[in-house]
Amino acid sequence: DAKTTQPPSMDCAEGRAANLPCNHSTISGNEYVYWYRQIHSQGPQYIIHGLKNNETNEMASLIITEDRKSSTLILPHATLRDTAVYYCIVRGNTGRRALTFGSGTRLQVQP
Amino acid sequence: EAGVAQSPRYKIIEKRQSVAFWCNPISGHATLYWYQQILGQGPKLLIQFQNNGVVDDSQLPKDRFSAERLKGVDSTLKIQPAKLEDSAVYLCASSLQGSYTDTQYFGPGTRLTVL
Repeated sequence: DAKTTQPPSMDCAEGRAANLPCNHSTISGNEYVYWYRQIHSQGPQYIIHGLKNNETNEMASLIITEDRKSSTLILPHATLRDTAVYYCIVRGNTGRRALTFGSGTRLQVQP
Repeated sequence: EAGVAQSPRYKIIEKRQSVAFWCNPISGHATLYWYQQILGQGPKLLIQFQNNGVVDDSQLPKDRFSAERLKGVDSTLKIQPAKLEDSAVYLCASSLQGSYTDTQYFGPGTRLTVL
């Protein structure tokens, strides 16, 4: 699976959009981009995933660039409950089927 | 739908003692994973089961760690003897079939402290 690069930390004001970037320049054509988050003292929680097209669900939106070398997770109206570590993971059918976690981005939502 | 259950939530032991963790996955999920998460790091896979067979245990320290999933449902992870560096959160996850498009669902984890 391709490696990912994320900023170690970010701040966001409550009620504003949080935009979390991820670089995955070595991604291959059959690899998906997954986002999970981990709130303090809990297990990781699935947020969203995508292959090429932008995706949206009730939690977030995922924007993948046309060349697929980077993506952005958008939390449209961040709340204090969104404070967590966010992991961007690239996952394909040629690598391990388990998730390979990096260090993630620690998002602090400020009141 | 009930989530992934794990017990105990916390465990404190002395080094060289043994310890066991239990996981009950989401009903109907064929694939079960054990991850180790050291403080400040992302989770790292220890072992992956498909039903009651091992798919990947390449990162499991087999001299001291063992895991089983005898009936293809719940699973236990054992450490014997424990070392100080085994202090971590042990996470169990499950997914429907284990394909690379499956969503993994995680339990709350067991926090192990080795003194």
